[in-house]
Amino acid sequence: ELKVEQNPLFLSMQEGKNYTIYCNYSTTSDRLYWYRQDPGKSLESLFVLLSNGAVKQEGRLMASLDTKARLSTLHITAAVHDLSATYFCAVDGAYGGSQGNLIFGKGTKLSVKP
Amino acid sequence: DAGVIQSPRHEVTEMGQEVTLRCKPISGHDYLFWYRQTMMRGLELLIYFNNNVPIDDSGMPEDRFSAKMPNASFSTLKIQPSEPRDSAVYFCASSPKRYEQYFGPGTRLTVT
Repeated sequence: ELKVEQNPLFLSMQEGKNYTIYCNYSTTSDRLYWYRQDPGKSLESLFVLLSNGAVKQEGRLMASLDTKARLSTLHITAAVHDLSATYFCAVDGAYGGSQGNLIFGKGTKLSVKP
Repeated sequence: DAGVIQSPRHEVTEMGQEVTLRCKPISGHDYLFWYRQTMMRGLELLIYFNNNVPIDDSGMPEDRFSAKMPNASFSTLKIQPSEPRDSAVYFCASSPKRYEQYFGPGTRLTVT
């Protein structure tokens, strides 16, 4: 059974600081996704990582994937208040198959304070 | 494109009543997913469809839950009878082939 673990689950940061959120998963997978959810809102896709070594960046967020270590990271650079949200990683549970079911981590609730 | 559309956005009902949640996926997307989100259990996949056919319903909690997709542009999730523990936010998502999923705004269900 595929399990996805994120840490930390809660993160309080000061503006301007850097930090990394980690996402570990238990079995082989070739696709990993990062989503953002604002309070009371839906999930918004941030990154899709499709291969080992993949790195994607958008603004102050950078995501990477190491399929051998079964690890993805979401790095936050010089945090600003607007980044406050819950961040989820999700792993495709059907490696090499045709299904599209995602297994989500529990989410990391990020709070950026002045 | 309007994105994934869900209705109603909020539903308050009494225990024992039937509840029907509706979803219109993004046109052209082959996959449709129903999720439930609660504080205790996080985001759980209930069921998903490929080309209108249910592929995996192992996440459906019990027989009180049922889902249908009569055509490519419409799906329903029904709970009958509803119970207080069904209170949650229910998301519908769609995706083109095996790729990122696009989530709808969700339906916040409260069962009293």
